[in-house]
Amino acid sequence: QSVLTQPPSVSAAPGQKVTISCSGSSSNIGNNYVSWYQQLPGTAPKLLIYENNKRPSGIPDRFSGSKSGTSATLGITGLQTGDEADYYCGTWDSSLSAHVVFGGGTKLTVL
Amino acid sequence: QVQLQESGPGLVKPSETLSLTCAVSGYSISSGYYWGWIRQPPGKGLEWIGSIYHSGSTYYNPSLKSRVTISVDTSKNQFSLKLSSVTAADTAVYYCARADGYNLDAFDIWGQGTMVTVSS
Repeated sequence: QSVLTQPPSVSAAPGQKVTISCSGSSSNIGNNYVSWYQQLPGTAPKLLIYENNKRPSGIPDRFSGSKSGTSATLGITGLQTGDEADYYCGTWDSSLSAHVVFGGGTKLTVL
Repeated sequence: QVQLQESGPGLVKPSETLSLTCAVSGYSISSGYYWGWIRQPPGKGLEWIGSIYHSGSTYYNPSLKSRVTISVDTSKNQFSLKLSSVTAADTAVYYCARADGYNLDAFDIWGQGTMVTVSS
């Protein structure tokens, strides 16, 4: 059971927009930045978003992030078949034993 | 460019210690950043194991802390993971990665990963 809750799967058609949610608590998302990762089949995860809404160099602006309270959202516009992947949220948990936590992952299917 | 490469045995016996090393090229560990280990059991999600700063300061996953040791060797520009008393539940792809010193959850560079199977 992951500390951060993500929907197991989402789907949308090419060209459409999709959002993936990530729900946590005050000890993690509520008081810390959120990052998002894309994991294509058979490859290592790739950082898409950090500090809630910042994109590393090379990440297209089709990918966006936001945070409100204890939840965060990843948005992907102009869906492409190449976006079909697993997506994970992550953050720092400031509880007694401070540590990094990840969501359980969301499988995006581009129909 | 910065590259990370994991190495170590692909098969470990139950109750033994899993040992992996991550060699860093293109960047000096001594210059900063946190360096971490993340694992992914087959068909499952990501699990953070722990991270270390070049000074040796560490953070560990509370659920693994009693079995984990992460160390850094700045002379060889590499860092290592030791996980003791392994069981089949420790079978996973193990990744090493670099994290921003201000955002320990933001791993911007990853190794390709190495599969470790725990079996007799």
